[in-house]
Amino acid sequence: GNSVTQMEGPVTLSEEAFLTINCTYTATGYPSLFWYVQYPGEGLQLLLKATKADDKGSNKGFEATYRKETTSFHLEKGSVQVSDSAVYFCALTRNNAGNMLTFGGGTRLMVKP
Amino acid sequence: EAGVAQSPRYKIIEKRQSVAFWCNPISGHATLYWYQQILGQGPKLLIQFQNNGVVDDSQLPKDRFSAERLKGVDSTLKIQPAKLEDSAVYLCASNAGGVGADTQYFGPGTRLTVL
Repeated sequence: GNSVTQMEGPVTLSEEAFLTINCTYTATGYPSLFWYVQYPGEGLQLLLKATKADDKGSNKGFEATYRKETTSFHLEKGSVQVSDSAVYFCALTRNNAGNMLTFGGGTRLMVKP
Repeated sequence: EAGVAQSPRYKIIEKRQSVAFWCNPISGHATLYWYQQILGQGPKLLIQFQNNGVVDDSQLPKDRFSAERLKGVDSTLKIQPAKLEDSAVYLCASNAGGVGADTQYFGPGTRLTVL
């Protein structure tokens, strides 16, 4: 079956530090890959996505590249801000499976000023 | 464009009681999902609807959970009777459906506490 594994948190960084949150997946076929973010007290929001190998998703300074050879979709940001503090979820879906999402366990990011 | 609406936002009940959650998806979205998110974990799909039909309910504990989407718009998720382990946030999501419609839009969730 499908599964997503992401690094456990919390990840604590100082403002302007470089961020990497690792995500690897197991899936049959060719899944689409996503990063969702959950800010304190808010619902899940799509951060970025990639639908095929070597695609790079980007938004708000965050980037992730779909690496089929390593089955990975690591999230990166060059300079984090306090406002980036949130829980980040890696997820995948397969179009022939009704687009239902399989999520990783989430990684809490805390950015200190 | 209005987002996915859910109510109530919070609910506290005692075990063995019943509870119901309501979801109104984004207008025109054919596909609706219910997820359960236990504290510290990622969301887990409970059930998926396409219009008013069930696409997948393989992870729904059918002895106590039920869901319906009678007119293909709003949906209700019910738990009867509730157990302590049902304490979680219940998320509703929707998307337009069809090939390529892979982005889901989530509501704010209902936080359920079972005492």
